[in-house]
Amino acid sequence: ETGVTQSPTHLIKTRGQQVTLRCSSQSGHNTVSWYQQALGQGPQFIFQYYREEENGRGNFPPRFSGLQFPNYSSELNVNALELDDSALYLCASSRGQRPGNEQFFGPGTRLTVL
Amino acid sequence: GESVGLHLPTLSVQEGDNSIINCAYSNSASDFFIWYKQESGKGPQFIIDIRSNMDKRQGQRVTVLLNKTVKHLSLQIAATQPGDSAVYFCAENREPGSNTGKLIFGQGTTLQVKP
Repeated sequence: ETGVTQSPTHLIKTRGQQVTLRCSSQSGHNTVSWYQQALGQGPQFIFQYYREEENGRGNFPPRFSGLQFPNYSSELNVNALELDDSALYLCASSRGQRPGNEQFFGPGTRLTVL
Repeated sequence: GESVGLHLPTLSVQEGDNSIINCAYSNSASDFFIWYKQESGKGPQFIIDIRSNMDKRQGQRVTVLLNKTVKHLSLQIAATQPGDSAVYFCAENREPGSNTGKLIFGQGTTLQVKP
């Protein structure tokens, strides 16, 4: 196990609702990256938080937002949920924001939008 | 969305044989590549990485080969074991010099190990 935890494990929402997913980073890590993994696909980068600031974003609309707290845990918020938002949401923590820093993934939160 | 390409979606091998999983990438500027293993119900797990100034890197039972001429990456697993059954992803950093650890993942290859 990586020491990265995510909650909840599973979540069911309806279209138009809002959701908050949580991630606790591994001890000593100050960076959290969020990825969306659709069924049968590879993870897609949503954004990264480094020392409580957004540090890079992928091709996701503004209704995907996040936070990082002083203890380096993080939240992913998605507003106005759409059916296509159904996916596994992964967070990964690392000891630094650069690509060369190994990213340790949590088990993910499975979001289903009905 | 953005993705790194893979040649085959599923690879079936006999236990004890060697496995080779391939990956093609399109951006010649990519400077860092990683292989991940994802078991059912788990997040991706780091296997091995390689920088673009290298052609080969070896780990425990795994070897990654990088051919920059044809933009091709492969993961070789020696003496494949049932515990190696999983989906394998290659990922790349397409933004050299970036301060963001944004990884672009391929779609994955499923490795099935037959006993």
